[in-house]
Amino acid sequence: EPEVTQTPSHQVTQMGQEVILRCVPISNHLYFYWYRQILGQKVEFLVSFYNNEISEKSEIFDDQFSVERPDGSNFTLKIRSTKLEDSAMYFCASSEAGLRTGELFFGEGSRLTVL
Amino acid sequence: DAKTTQPPSMDCAEGRAANLPCNHSTISGNEYVYWYRQIHSQGPQYIIHGLKNNETNEMASLIITEDRKSSTLILPHATLRDTAVYYCIVRGPPGAGSYQLTFGKGTKLSVIP
Repeated sequence: EPEVTQTPSHQVTQMGQEVILRCVPISNHLYFYWYRQILGQKVEFLVSFYNNEISEKSEIFDDQFSVERPDGSNFTLKIRSTKLEDSAMYFCASSEAGLRTGELFFGEGSRLTVL
Repeated sequence: DAKTTQPPSMDCAEGRAANLPCNHSTISGNEYVYWYRQIHSQGPQYIIHGLKNNETNEMASLIITEDRKSSTLILPHATLRDTAVYYCIVRGPPGAGSYQLTFGKGTKLSVIP
């Protein structure tokens, strides 16, 4: 069964460093998303991406965050200067047609620890 | 999107049906009910969604009351692998403008041997 893959599974970084989280969405999907989950808290929407541009973003997704689809297969989330509060599990997701079928496919997540 | 209310936790014996309730009394006419689950700290997994008719797939059944103010997700024969947090989410029609799903705290289902 096709799946969304994310790398790295765990990254430890120092505060102020740049981090790039990578995702390979399901190949025929057109919509891509990043969500995050701080330990013990809810899953929160960050951003959605379609047709090479951001289609929607939350208040969390400030100027420190950016997304890119550099080569037609990878979808990346960059955090420019990490803060302690960026420590969380970051989930990439993709879908075939927005939420038309109601189904988002999530990856296993990348755990980011900021020291 | 309409707010949902779910019990924080439930237990179910292995092999029995798990019935997970969700209240969404402020749901509007074109909003759908979606169910996802999250096993341990893995990525959320889609289960099922519906508008007003009952729905069934290979994973579960979704029963929506006639007034649409509540629904029940049914796992017909729960296994230990169904232990997870189950999220009931209400949002606009598939394909409608917003792309985001708003996850609440969900119901922690524990399947007991």
